[in-house]
Amino acid sequence: GAVVSQHPSRVICKSGTSVKIECRSLDFQATTMFWYRQFPKQSLMLMATSNEGSKATYEQGVEKDKFLINHASLTLSTLTVTSAHPEDSSFYICSASPIAGGQRDTQYFGPGTRLTVL
Amino acid sequence: GENVEQHPSTLSVQEGDSAVIKCTYSDSASNYFPWYKQELGKGPQLIIDIRSNVGEKKDQRIAVTLNKTAKHFSLHITETQPEDSAVYFCAASYAFGNENLTFGTGTRLTIIP
Repeated sequence: GAVVSQHPSRVICKSGTSVKIECRSLDFQATTMFWYRQFPKQSLMLMATSNEGSKATYEQGVEKDKFLINHASLTLSTLTVTSAHPEDSSFYICSASPIAGGQRDTQYFGPGTRLTVL
Repeated sequence: GENVEQHPSTLSVQEGDSAVIKCTYSDSASNYFPWYKQELGKGPQLIIDIRSNVGEKKDQRIAVTLNKTAKHFSLHITETQPEDSAVYFCAASYAFGNENLTFGTGTRLTIIP
């Protein structure tokens, strides 16, 4: 149980294009999903907290117009990197917290999406 | 805000021996402490967690201990195997706040066959 999927797993795009990453909780419902960014050999950096039916909460320094988050249902959140540039190249990981059954603070992570902007 | 420190940054252990990774946290209000294992190119996998109402939790070869007074918690892996090689992250959160996890900097564990 507690499986989170991400799609795509890997994407290469040209500078200036937009890329959408999907995060799905497959066997549970999640009121809250989180988006992280991870640089090589570094820890996870929280970008934003996504709540179903409301606006995402962005961490300091993260541009909300650059990283659009939509949490349309209790099992799906999307992150769109708009007008991507090479410096946006990174490993993007989502996580989800179950509504029921477990504690609200438990986060289950997806497999990550490797974004490369040329 | 919360600050989590993790040591060591790298750890090499002979197969079959035990490995211990330690973390300290700064916010005494934190009450949830998970440990994640991350293999290369993959997302973190929750391997064990502990809440502040207990001092120790064990799951087969993995155990976590928590000292609330000293504000530190540790991951113990016994009888290590090559497949235990990975990067391990500790984290802390205040469960009745915004539930955001603050991560440690990670420990790269290498099991030597």
